[in-house]
Amino acid sequence: LAKTTQPISMDSYEGQEVNITCSHNNIATNDYITWYQQFPSQGPRFIIQGYKTKVTNEVASLFIPADRKSSTLSLPRVSLSDTAVYYCLVGDGPIYNQGGKLIFGQGTELSVKP
Amino acid sequence: DVKVTQSSRYLVKRTGEKVFLECVQDMDHENMFWYRQDPGLGLRLIYFSYDVKMKEKGDIPEGYSVSREKKERFSLILESASTNQTSMYLCASSLYPRTGEEATEAFFGQGTRLTVV
Repeated sequence: LAKTTQPISMDSYEGQEVNITCSHNNIATNDYITWYQQFPSQGPRFIIQGYKTKVTNEVASLFIPADRKSSTLSLPRVSLSDTAVYYCLVGDGPIYNQGGKLIFGQGTELSVKP
Repeated sequence: DVKVTQSSRYLVKRTGEKVFLECVQDMDHENMFWYRQDPGLGLRLIYFSYDVKMKEKGDIPEGYSVSREKKERFSLILESASTNQTSMYLCASSLYPRTGEEATEAFFGQGTRLTVV
């Protein structure tokens, strides 16, 4: 399974755009890139997933360069409620015969200040 | 809405006790997972199951076992609880990825904070 590397922590201010980059040099051809968000005392929550180029939903955008060795989660105009830990996960498309084992890294602790 | 329900939010047990943590999901998901989360260590996979009666060890299975007798229920068992098993335990479920489909989204329970004294 591909290992991921993210910054341990980031600070931002309300209204700013936040970009969190994840490195995954050993990503396999059939791997997808998925991001989760976790608030204190809660389980992680799915944010966005992509395979290549750019994916956007109502919460975030995910940018994936052509070589797929990294990805960037972009949160537009963050608010105080976006303060959380963000995890980047790579792997386990349908070919993996154990059906999608999820391995979490350390995550990035995002702190949004007023 | 998908629901993953863990039987207790908070649990206090004594060293040496056998402890059962229960998890139930209502979306007919094939995959179920047990993680523990500790400060500075992130989420670590203990066991996962991709079908009834099927289980695979995760990264830290020592001191734990699991049971999946029914599709909707996945139990984590601490055979003889120790103080180093004091932690937040999280259960999750997801669909089994079908051929040609992307990796699927996992849904997590609220967690059980277990303290072993």
